[in-house]
This record gives sequence, C-alpha cells and structure tokens, in this order.
Amino acid sequence: EPEVTQTPSHQVTQMGQEVILRCVPISNHLYFYWYRQILGQKVEFLVSFYNNEISEKSEIFDDQFSVERPDGSNFTLKIRSTKLEDSAMYFCASTPGQETQYFGPGTRLLVL
Amino acid sequence: SQQGEEDPQALSIQEGENATMNCSYKTSINNLQWYRQNSGRGLVHLILIRSNEREKHSGRLRVTLDTSKKSSSLLITASRAADTASYFCATPEYSGGGADGLTFGKGTHLIIQP
Repeated sequence: EPEVTQTPSHQVTQMGQEVILRCVPISNHLYFYWYRQILGQKVEFLVSFYNNEISEKSEIFDDQFSVERPDGSNFTLKIRSTKLEDSAMYFCASTPGQETQYFGPGTRLLVL
Repeated sequence: SQQGEEDPQALSIQEGENATMNCSYKTSINNLQWYRQNSGRGLVHLILIRSNEREKHSGRLRVTLDTSKKSSSLLITASRAADTASYFCATPEYSGGGADGLTFGKGTHLIIQP
C-alpha cells in the first residue's frame, strides 16, 4: 500500500540554522500539507499546497517557513532560521481530494 | 481554536472491554475524522464521517456524529492491547477555498491493560 514518506526521521540543528524537511507524498495525490506537534501538545496545521502554490496557511506559518515542490515527487518544508520553539515533530500529509489525509511518520526536529 | 476537543484526556480499561471517546467542536463542519497515534509515531486515519451521516462502522470501530450537539464519539469494541494509543478527532478548517487543513483536538490517551 502506498505511503507518505519523510526524511530525515530525526534532525538536530543549532538555533539560527536553516533546515529542510523532505516528504514524498503518495504519487497520485494532489493536495499536500505540513503539520507540527510540539511535545505533549496538539497537532497543528501549518500549510496546505495545491497546484504548485500555497492554498492555506496558519498563523504559525510565518516568513521563516516556506514550502516547495521542487520536482514531481518531493514536497519540502524549509525553516530559514530555526528557533528553540521550532523543536517539534513535523508531519507531512497528502490527499487525492479534500477529505481523508494520509500522514507520514514525521521528522523529529530538535533545535539547540 | 478549540475545535475538536476530546474527552476523556486519558482512559485506562481492561483488555476486552469497550472504550468510548468523545469529541466536541464549535463551528460547522462538512466531515469529522478520527486518527490514531502510537507513541512518537505518525497519525493513522481511522474513519471519516460526513455531516449528513449519523453513524459509521469500520471493523471494531463505531463512530457517531451529532451535528445538533456538535459532538462525535468513537467506540472501540473488544479492545486489545494493540489499541493502546492516542486518539484524535479532526475537522477541516472549511474556508471553501480548497485544501483545508485539519484542526486536531488534544486527544484521548487510551491504555489497554492486559
């Protein structure tokens, strides 16, 4: 069964560094999403992406964040200058339509 | 947002018993989804119920939706140790603009005692 994959599974970075989190959505899916989950807290929506552009974004998704679909398979989340509070689990999701979203296993980001 | 708040926050039951979790939400929805998350892992989609449906079954799962009360429940029958996980309800942030992000509740942490 096709799955959303994410790399790396874990990333440790220094405050102020740029990180790129990578996702490979399910191949025939059209909508892509990033979410984050700070330890012990809710899963929070960051951004959705459709037809090569951002469809929706939350208040969390400020100028430090950007998303890109650089080719036909990858979907990336870039954090330009990481802060301590960016430490979280980041999930990618995809869907063929606008209902059930299929989530990847997540990337655990630790900012020191 | 307080969309999709589950209760109880934690539930511990014996294997074989049924587990019921509830979710409340505040705004109008076109569907409500339940997800499971094993500790430190990704989210697994369990079931989606549309706003015009009142009940839906999938294996040992039964979901109800009461749009007049803005609430949903997830029932897991004949629980197993492998059901130990956190369970979240999620609703689309319906903006009408396209790819709706989901708003998740804080979840119910379910522990099945063997």
